Amino acid sequence: KQEVTQIPAALSVPEGENLVLNCSFTDSAIYNLQWFRQDPGKGLTSLLLIQSSQREQTSGRLNASLDKSSGRSTLYIAASQPGDSATYLCAVTPHTPLVFGKGTRLSVIA
Amino acid sequence: GAGVSQTPSNKVTEKGKYVELRCDPISGHTALYWYRQSLGQGPEFLIYFQGTGAADDSGLPNDRFFAVRPEGSVSTLKIQRTERGDSAVYLCASSLSTEETQYFGPGTRLLVL
Repeated sequence: KQEVTQIPAALSVPEGENLVLNCSFTDSAIYNLQWFRQDPGKGLTSLLLIQSSQREQTSGRLNASLDKSSGRSTLYIAASQPGDSATYLCAVTPHTPLVFGKGTRLSVIA
Repeated sequence: GAGVSQTPSNKVTEKGKYVELRCDPISGHTALYWYRQSLGQGPEFLIYFQGTGAADDSGLPNDRFFAVRPEGSVSTLKIQRTERGDSAVYLCASSLSTEETQYFGPGTRLLVL
């Protein structure tokens, strides 16, 4: 059974810092990996989707990498801003429905 | 364009009652998914539809839970004889196909007293 783990569970950084969020999964037979953002009391917003054949995806200040063989992905956020404060969720598609980690709760302090 | 919408946004009910949660997917999206999210956890898969048919319902916790999508668009998640443990946020998502990005609605917060 696919399991997704996210480390750290929570992270607090000063504004302007670059940071890395980690995601690991137990079964490397995935179709794709997605990073989401969730604001308190809100639904999920898709940030980046990496197909299993890809190594990374970039969107603005965000860069996500995927190493399928080792079962790892990282989300890099450059020049963090207070508006980046949210929970970041990693999810993999072993077949079709997404399997989520518990998320990393990020606080960017002004 | 319009995103995924879910109604109601909040639902409070008593133990043993029946509830229906509605999801309106993005127009043209053939795949529709239901997830459940408990506090401090990531969403957990319940069921997904490809068109009108349930392609995978392996995540439904028991036979009190049922979902339909009769015309391949709007979906309703139905919970019979609700229990306090059913309290959670129920999230709906849709995608153009099962290989595309899933777009999530704001969720329905269900509280069973």
